Amino acid sequence: GAVVSQHPSWVICKSGTSVKIECRSLDFQATTMFWYRQFPKQSLMLMATSNEGSKATYEQGVEKDKFLINHASLTLSTLTVTSAHPEDSSFYICSARTSGSSYNEQFFGPGTRLTVL
Amino acid sequence: AQSVAQPEDQVNVAEGNPLTVKCTYSVSGNPYLFWYVQYPNRGLQFLLKYITGDNLVKGSYGFEAEFNKSQTSFHLKKPSALVSDSALYFCAVRDLYNFNKFYFGSGTKLNVKP
Repeated sequence: GAVVSQHPSWVICKSGTSVKIECRSLDFQATTMFWYRQFPKQSLMLMATSNEGSKATYEQGVEKDKFLINHASLTLSTLTVTSAHPEDSSFYICSARTSGSSYNEQFFGPGTRLTVL
Repeated sequence: AQSVAQPEDQVNVAEGNPLTVKCTYSVSGNPYLFWYVQYPNRGLQFLLKYITGDNLVKGSYGFEAEFNKSQTSFHLKKPSALVSDSALYFCAVRDLYNFNKFYFGSGTKLNVKP
């Protein structure tokens, strides 16, 4: 149980284009999903918290107009990187939290590797 | 502010030997600590957590971690390493006030050689 999927697993795009990444909770409902960014040989950095039916909460330093997050249903959150540039190239990972106990760990997706040429 | 530190970028161990991956924490109150493992091009997988209670926490795949308050450490251990344990390991601490927010360490690459 508690499986999170991401699509696509990797994407290459040209500079200036937009890319959408999907995060789905396959066997549970996730009222809250999270988007992380991981640079090579570095840790995960939380970008934003996505709540179903409301606006995402962005971490300090993350441009909300560049990284658009939509959490339209209890099983799907999307991250759109708008007008992508080479510096946006990274590994993007989503996670989801089940409702209930506040001690629940987060369940992570397999990640999406974005390369902007 | 909460943070964790993983002092070793890489740990090398022979198969069958015990392994330890180190983690120290800095938290103003009682810490909620976690260990995750990441295989190449994969997301993180939960291994174990410490919230309260017994200082020795047992988790998945034979891993365990010992919470040491006096040393502010939460080292990950396994009595006998397997080649398949080779992966990237992350220690994390949850924010005391925002349960949704985790602070991850920089990661430690574990290499288990046959």
